[in-house]
Formats: sequence, structure tokens, C-alpha cells
Amino acid sequence: EPEVTQTPSHQVTQMGQEVILRCVPISNHLYFYWYRQILGQKVEFLVSFYNNEISEKSEIFDDQFSVERPDGSNFTLKIRSTKLEDSAMYFCASSERTNQETQYFGPGTRLLVL
Amino acid sequence: KNEVEQSPQNLTAQEGEFITINCSYSVGISALHWLQQHPGGGIVSLFMLSSGKKKHGRLIATINIQEKHSSLHITASHPRDSAVYICAASRDTGRRALTFGSGTRLQVQP
Repeated sequence: EPEVTQTPSHQVTQMGQEVILRCVPISNHLYFYWYRQILGQKVEFLVSFYNNEISEKSEIFDDQFSVERPDGSNFTLKIRSTKLEDSAMYFCASSERTNQETQYFGPGTRLLVL
Repeated sequence: KNEVEQSPQNLTAQEGEFITINCSYSVGISALHWLQQHPGGGIVSLFMLSSGKKKHGRLIATINIQEKHSSLHITASHPRDSAVYICAASRDTGRRALTFGSGTRLQVQP
């Protein structure tokens, strides 16, 4: 069964460093999402992406964040200068078409900023 | 007030018990999602529903649009059902982002 994959599974970085989290959505899906979950808190929406551009973003998704689909398969989230509070589990998800479609989640990348 | 509220926050059951997890929402939705988060952190979509009832194996999800309430039921619970169950809403504004509840941590004891 097709699945969303994410790399790396864990990343430890120093405050102020740039990190790139990678996702490979399901191949025929058109909508891509990033969510994050700070330890012990609920999952929060960051950004959605469709047709090679951001379709919506939350207030969390400030200028330190960017997303890109550099080729036909990868979808990346870049954090330009990490802060301690960026430590969280980051989930990528994809869906086939509209907002009435099931979103399929990747296994997550656990980011720890020291 | 949170847009999506779940109860209970924590639930401990004995193997074989019938389990109900509740979700209330205060906003207009196009669909309500039930998700399962495993102890390792991975999230699996269980159901997406906009009306009525859906069943998959021992899991049943219902929604009452007028009351803005949904329930997830697990029949004949098993220790492998132990996980966090999360309700999330797709808003009716056309936004695709999901708005998540805080989750219900279920522990099923043998």
C-alpha cells in the first residue's frame, strides 16, 4: 500500500542552524501538508501546498519557515534559523484532491533543537 | 474555547470492554476525522465522515451534525487498541488544514 515517507526520523541540531525536513508524498496525491506536534501538546497545522505554491499557512509558519517541492516526488520543510521552541515532531501529510479527502500522514521527524 | 474538544482525556479499560470517545466541535465543518496515534508517534487515519455512521472492523464512528458531536466506539477492546485517539475537523470554509483535538489516551489492560 502506498505510504508517505519522511526523512530523517530524528534530527538534533544547534539553535540557529538551518534544518531541512524531507517528505515523499503518495505519488498521485496533489495536496501536501506540514503539521507539528510539540511534546505533550496537540497537533498543529503549519502549511498546505498545492500546484507548486502555498495554499494556506498558519500564524506559526513565519518567515523562518519555507516549503518547496524541488522535484516531482520530494516535499521539503526548511527552518532557516532554528529556535529551542521549534523542537517538536513534524508530520508531513498528503491527500488526493479536495479538503474532503482523507489525509495520509508520514511517520514524522522528531526535531530536537539544543 | 478550543474549536475541537475531546473527552475523556485519559481512559483505562479492561480487555473486552466497549469504549466510547467523544468529540465536540464549535465550528462549521465539511468533515470530521478520527485518527490514531501510536506510542511511537505515527498517525493513522481511521475515519473521515460528514454524516451518519461508518464501521471498520471493531471500530465505529458516528456524527450528529445538528449537535456538532461525534463519537468513536471500539467494540471488544484489546490491548493492541492502546493508543491516542484524535478527532480533527476539516473546516467548511474551504480550508484544507485540519484542526485537531487534544486526543484521548486509551489504555486497554489484559
